[in-house]
Amino acid sequence: DVQMTQSPSSVSASVGDRVTISCRASQPINNWLAWYQQKPGKAPKFLINGASNVQGGVPSRFSGTGYGTDFTLTISSLQAEDFGTYYCQQGYSFPLTFGGGTKVEIK
Amino acid sequence: QVLESGGGLVQPGGSQTLSCVGSGFNFGGISMNWVRQAPGKGLEWLAVISRYSNSIHYADSVRGRFTIFRDNSRNTVYLQMSSLRTEDTAIYYCVKEEPNGYRYGLDVWGQGITVIVSS
Repeated sequence: DVQMTQSPSSVSASVGDRVTISCRASQPINNWLAWYQQKPGKAPKFLINGASNVQGGVPSRFSGTGYGTDFTLTISSLQAEDFGTYYCQQGYSFPLTFGGGTKVEIK
Repeated sequence: QVLESGGGLVQPGGSQTLSCVGSGFNFGGISMNWVRQAPGKGLEWLAVISRYSNSIHYADSVRGRFTIFRDNSRNTVYLQMSSLRTEDTAIYYCVKEEPNGYRYGLDVWGQGITVIVSS
């Protein structure tokens, strides 16, 4: 199974800050990497696939990069509504696996 | 959208079947998944069923205990759960695969249904 490791586990930042979340796969997964945002008490929301393809309706401040084993989700200018937990997920092989999550808090 | 039903309280060792109705998309042309989230924990993918039910995969944690199946005539996918354990307590999400396939992510999530396994 492909193990996904996210860091940091939590981050506290101010509005306007640049926030970067890392995700590492235990083996190369090409660019078969998706990102999700989950707010408390809500279902996850699909943000990015193909490591860098931002879904329609997702603000342009969200971006993703990476290939192989190392991936990054960047929020270029953090907004108040960006709080929540972010998960990466590999789509390279079954079982699909998620990272442990990164909780983003607003200072 | 997708809408789950069938959750609730079940005793350890018992069984429960979750249902998920899809609407607003070509249900019969898309693979469907179940993902769960234990209280205070992260996301755990459980199972996927292809559009014609000819390809099914499970997570090790549920293989042999859970069965995914679908009825395209009813736009419904099911998760039959048996030999339930307290650690199966979670919110269960029905999730649609991105139209280009499983490698492209999971694009539509239900609101989730709670299953509590307790005596």
